[in-house]
Amino acid sequence: QQQVKQSPQSLIVQKGGISIINCAYENTAFDYFPWYQQFPGKGPALLIAIRPDVSEKKEGRFTISFNKSAKQFSLHIMDSQPGDSATYFCAASTNKLSFGAGTTVTVRA
Amino acid sequence: NAGVMQNPRHLVRRRGQEARLRCSPMKGHSHVYWYRQLPEEGLKFMVYLQKENIIDESGMPKERFSAEFPKEGPSILRIQQVVRGDSAAYFCASSPPSQRDEQFFGPGTRLTVL
Repeated sequence: QQQVKQSPQSLIVQKGGISIINCAYENTAFDYFPWYQQFPGKGPALLIAIRPDVSEKKEGRFTISFNKSAKQFSLHIMDSQPGDSATYFCAASTNKLSFGAGTTVTVRA
Repeated sequence: NAGVMQNPRHLVRRRGQEARLRCSPMKGHSHVYWYRQLPEEGLKFMVYLQKENIIDESGMPKERFSAEFPKEGPSILRIQQVVRGDSAAYFCASSPPSQRDEQFFGPGTRLTVL
């Protein structure tokens, strides 16, 4: 049973555009929500994370929006670049991370 | 500051053999987690360890799989009598004592069972 549901499965965006990935969860015990970026053949790299007492967090071109009442959170990648082409995973944590299924982002030059 | 180290990076085993995967956490990190990633899927939690203690093994198959994190040396994930379905990428992550949620991943070990 997938504890964190992620969509879309894949998306294509033009260079300079905005990529948006959505995640939803059920378990209200989750208290930490990170996003990871993974390139083929590599391990996941922590990109940005948020706690449920905050509704938005921005780091550079990456922004997390968090809606506690709806139990949803999303990642926005502004001014998408070809180097952002990767698979992105949302996750939710108690002690261990429960991952979404991943979104493959392709940025077209 | 070196990141999480895993070795080997690639491991090929025949059915019935044993696989040993090693993980050295980042310096100062005392929490280690193992995750498995099947092709085209997300990562699934397997086990969470601190030095000499298994904290949560709820994601670990009950048979053939074991993990340890001794007082000295790396954490070891051991798979006995491997089967084809064990073929996957196995990732180790570590976190510092003060920020257990903030998990940093190693490059993974890609296990292929022939």
